[in-house]
Amino acid sequence: KQEVTQIPAALSVPEGENLVLNCSFTDSAIYNLQWFRQDPGKGLTSLLLIQSSQREQTSGRLNASLDKSSGRSTLYIAASQPGDSATYLCAVSSSNTGKLIFGQGTTLQVKP
Amino acid sequence: NAGVTQTPKFQVLKTGQSMTLQCAQDMNHEYMSWYRQDPGMGLRLIHYSVGAGITDQGEVPNGYNVSRSTTEDFPLRLLSAAPSQTSVYFCASRLSAAGGPRDTQYFGPGTRLTVL
Repeated sequence: KQEVTQIPAALSVPEGENLVLNCSFTDSAIYNLQWFRQDPGKGLTSLLLIQSSQREQTSGRLNASLDKSSGRSTLYIAASQPGDSATYLCAVSSSNTGKLIFGQGTTLQVKP
Repeated sequence: NAGVTQTPKFQVLKTGQSMTLQCAQDMNHEYMSWYRQDPGMGLRLIHYSVGAGITDQGEVPNGYNVSRSTTEDFPLRLLSAAPSQTSVYFCASRLSAAGGPRDTQYFGPGTRLTVL
């Protein structure tokens, strides 16, 4: 059974710092891995999708990497801003079941 | 495109009442699904559908019914609401039934349900 784990559960950093969020998964049979952002009381916004054959994807200050063999992904946020404060969720799309399995998220606070 | 839409945004029910959460997408997606989000539990799959007339259970299906009579709509019905069903419910869709490397999931804005 696919399990997705995100560490840390919460993170507080000063503005301007570069930071890394971690996601690990137990089954390497995946189509892709997605990173989502969720603001309090809001829905999920897709940030990046990494296909299983890819190693990384970039969008602005965000860079996500994928190491399928070790079951790990990282989301790198450069020069963090208070507006980056949110919960970040990773989810893997299982190629066995077609289902999207979520981690529990990392809640990020960027202090001015 | 409106994407994935959900109604209502908020709902309060009494124990034992029934209701239907509405979900619609205008992207001609084959796959639609319902999740619930609870503190400390992440998002968990309730039911999903790979096309009109085809539905299946997810991780936490008890107490919920679904149907998919059209490609666009995927309502979630609570048969007899219980306080344990207090949660935020998200509907999602993606293009293909089986999924694929490029297939992104799109989420609705959510319905916040409280059962008293």
